[in-house]
Amino acid sequence: KAGVTQTPRYLIKTRGQQVTLSCSPISGHRSVSWYQQTPGQGLQFLFEYFSETQRNKGNFPGRFSGRQFSNSRSEMNVSTLELGDSALYLCASSLEGQGAVNTEAFFGQGTRLTVV
Amino acid sequence: AQKITQTQPGMFVQEKEAVTLDCTYDTSDQSYGLFWYKQPSSGEMIFLIYQGSYDEQNATEGRYSLNFQKARKSANLVISASQLGDSAMYFCAMRGSYYGNNRLAFGKGNQVVVIP
Repeated sequence: KAGVTQTPRYLIKTRGQQVTLSCSPISGHRSVSWYQQTPGQGLQFLFEYFSETQRNKGNFPGRFSGRQFSNSRSEMNVSTLELGDSALYLCASSLEGQGAVNTEAFFGQGTRLTVV
Repeated sequence: AQKITQTQPGMFVQEKEAVTLDCTYDTSDQSYGLFWYKQPSSGEMIFLIYQGSYDEQNATEGRYSLNFQKARKSANLVISASQLGDSAMYFCAMRGSYYGNNRLAFGKGNQVVVIP
C-alpha cells in the first residue's frame, strides 16, 4: 500500500513568486491536512480538505490556499512568496473525516521550500 | 484552543537504556486524543502511539509506552531499550473529538540522540 506522496521534495523560489505543492494521500483516504514546519514556529496547521471541501483553516494569510480534487489529491498554493515562507510543508492523510480521535494521520516526507 | 508543551532540552541517551519524553497539554475538550510522532532527519512524521482521553489503560506499542496522567494533563512517552535508529525529533500532538476535526496541535518537540 503506497504511503502519502508529496511532490516536489525540494523547491527554491524567489521572493514574490508563487508556488504549488502537491499531495497524494493513501488510497481511500478522503481527508488531507497541510502543516507548515519552521524552526521558530514549529508545526502549524494550515488547512484541511475533506471530499473536495475545505473544512478547517488555520491562522494563515490569504496568500496560502489549497484545493482537493475528486481523487482526494490535494494541492496547496502560496502566492507572493516571502522569505518567511521558507519551511517544510507536510501533508497528512486520514481515513475518516468524522472527528474520531483515534484516527491516525499518515504524513508524507514533506516539501522543503526555500525562498530567496 | 489546545496547547501542547514540550520543554525538555536535547537529550543524549545511551543505547539500550530507556528514555522518557515529557508532554503536558491543555484543552477544554472533554474527549480528545493524544499522539506521539517521530521525525527523523528525512522529515517524515512517523506515528508511534495513541492514547484516548477515556482510555483507562496506558497505551503500549512495542518499545513505546505512554504514561497518561489525565488529572495532571500529562502524556509522557517512554522508549525502552533505545536503539541508534531512535535518534530523531519526537513530537507530542493532540486532537479534540468533534465532528469534522482532523486538526492536530503539536508541541515544539524533543530532540533525542542515542549514543553507542
